Amino acid sequence: DTEVTQTPKHLVMGMTNKKSLKCEQHMGHRAMYWYKQKAKKPPELMFVYSYEKLSINESVPSRFSPECPNSSLLNLHLHALQPEDSALYLCASSQLGLQNTEAFFGQGTRLTVV
Amino acid sequence: KNQVEQSPQSLIILEGKNCTLQCNYTVSPFSNLRWYKQDTGRGPVSLTIMTFSENTKSNGRYTATLDADTKQSSLHITASQLSDSASYICVVANAGNNRKLIWGLGTSLAVNP
Repeated sequence: DTEVTQTPKHLVMGMTNKKSLKCEQHMGHRAMYWYKQKAKKPPELMFVYSYEKLSINESVPSRFSPECPNSSLLNLHLHALQPEDSALYLCASSQLGLQNTEAFFGQGTRLTVV
Repeated sequence: KNQVEQSPQSLIILEGKNCTLQCNYTVSPFSNLRWYKQDTGRGPVSLTIMTFSENTKSNGRYTATLDADTKQSSLHITASQLSDSASYICVVANAGNNRKLIWGLGTSLAVNP
């Protein structure tokens, strides 16, 4: 199984809502990532978890809150988002550090903030 | 400055034809170079990953080359299919302290019947 599963596929939320994005992998990878991708732009790294601990936060606003409940799951909690946060949110996982090993991406969650 | 530049920005070819996409990078120190295929609104899918010692790597109809001396890579697609229509992104891994992936802007390929 080389799949990274993200749910939901699409999400529309108001600026006062609280929602969560979920990501799951069963490849035994110990590194998991959240990326944000705007249209016609490359993905931008948001957070990196290594061995279930947050290792990199790319100065992401606190309205985005990541959580890694166990080695297979990664969540991104959303609260008080802005319309400019609308984007494709991608989860990825890899065996070791992303710079050394292959990364597997999920199909993404298309988020629209209204 | 660590950068990855791709050309052309977009490309239209007829089904069955071959094409070659280019990638130039200035990332240092270099760890590896990857090519991803991304369909619109979907996550990237890895095509190849190459270290500095690898000159050529194939994955089906996709063949990537790497010249670490000139810091250039190419992705050759043979006998294109309609399903090859996508964005092809060159990504270079930085082996330095920031350990980042440096992404190109991609080449948008359209394969027409």
